[in-house]
Amino acid sequence: DGGITQSPKYLFRKEGQNVTLSCEQNLNHDAMYWYRQDPGQGLRLIYYSQIVNDFQKGDIAEGYSVSREKKESFPLTVTSAQKNPTAFYLCASTQTGGYNSPLHFGNGTRLTVT
Amino acid sequence: QKEVEQNSGPLSVPEGAIASLNCTYSDRGSQSFFWYRQYSGKSPELIMFIYSNGDKEDGRFTAQLNKASQYVSLLIRDSQPSDSATYLCAVRTGGFKTIFGAGTRLFVKA
Repeated sequence: DGGITQSPKYLFRKEGQNVTLSCEQNLNHDAMYWYRQDPGQGLRLIYYSQIVNDFQKGDIAEGYSVSREKKESFPLTVTSAQKNPTAFYLCASTQTGGYNSPLHFGNGTRLTVT
Repeated sequence: QKEVEQNSGPLSVPEGAIASLNCTYSDRGSQSFFWYRQYSGKSPELIMFIYSNGDKEDGRFTAQLNKASQYVSLLIRDSQPSDSATYLCAVRTGGFKTIFGAGTRLFVKA
């Protein structure tokens, strides 16, 4: 079945360490996204990418980095510069053939930094 | 001004009633509008999308869009306890950037 796989589901890190969250999709979608969700809050856009080797900052890109070397993969690195990294991270993808194509989401990674 | 605004709620309605969820957006160039439902601890699920002014119906759900007023709403008819969730409004602007509101928590009382 086609879908988006995020791994791991839960991730624990010590403060000061960089950590990379994985996102892989087999939907053949062109665009991929990373969102952050804090308890009781909506989704805030970190980065998005419309095509391979190109990506744009979202509203809260500081302290994060991404790469898009393959169409299927869009890993997110949470660096030690991110002040409050503990959150629920969601990866999404969509086709770019039309503006009406909805986002498809992975199951998320819950990151805890202590 | 936030790009996408929603009342955070909670909105509480009795079972069988109509729940009305509202969303406003700031970018007049926004192309498409989506409603997602999110249960606690889960990923958002698409309910429906709309891109033309007017109403769009899908089962118990109706989305309404008014681009002149920069307003989009979701009506849920015959609300059920299983509809209790957070409802997220998403707006697609230029370049496939997709922005979400903070979400409205809905409680349907049995």
